[in-house]
Amino acid sequence: KAGVTQTPRYLIKTRGQQVTLSCSPISGHRSVSWYQQTPGQGLQFLFEYFSETQRNKGNFPGRFSGRQFSNSRSEMNVSTLELGDSALYLCASSLAGRGSEAFFGQGTRLTVV
Amino acid sequence: AQSVTQLGSHVSVSEGALVLLRCNYSSSVPPYLFWYVQYPNQGLQLLLKYTSAATLVKGINGFEAEFKKSETSFHLTKPSAHMSDAAEYFCAVSGASGNTGKLIFGQGTTLQVKP
Repeated sequence: KAGVTQTPRYLIKTRGQQVTLSCSPISGHRSVSWYQQTPGQGLQFLFEYFSETQRNKGNFPGRFSGRQFSNSRSEMNVSTLELGDSALYLCASSLAGRGSEAFFGQGTRLTVV
Repeated sequence: AQSVTQLGSHVSVSEGALVLLRCNYSSSVPPYLFWYVQYPNQGLQLLLKYTSAATLVKGINGFEAEFKKSETSFHLTKPSAHMSDAAEYFCAVSGASGNTGKLIFGQGTTLQVKP
């Protein structure tokens, strides 16, 4: 069974640009969550999608957005990049619901210069 | 509101010694609790989870954790550390609102294992 796949693994962008990150969940998993990991703030929840609907949202500005497709694949987009957006972005998929085990991808390392 | 506090951002043990990583939680509802491990430049891997079935939870790689409601704790232990256990460890609690997969993580504890 294939794991969670995130693409690309590494990305370098310039301030002001926008970026799209992709996540393919484990087959059969309908919940996809995104997290931002930085040395200073740790792991912070961005949002969760379930059956193409955003079910939860963290405390991030509107520049951060996401979507989920009918095959459960998800993308997140960050517009007008800032230096502080440099981070490891992790995607996690789970079957559904509170208490379900979340399986994480290897992450996308975004560097904003 | 849900929160997790991991006591000690760095823990150093000798190979073969007991590993104890501390986690305290706050939850407005009966909690689901998790321990994850992260190796450099990797995602997170689940070590074990507590879902109210048994208070002593056994996980992978010889790790276990005990849920203590009275102390709001979920400490992670391993009787004998191995060099390969060196990594960052995260304790997490499930979000409270509705049927969500959201996790709230602690700040993490880096485990160093000395030969």
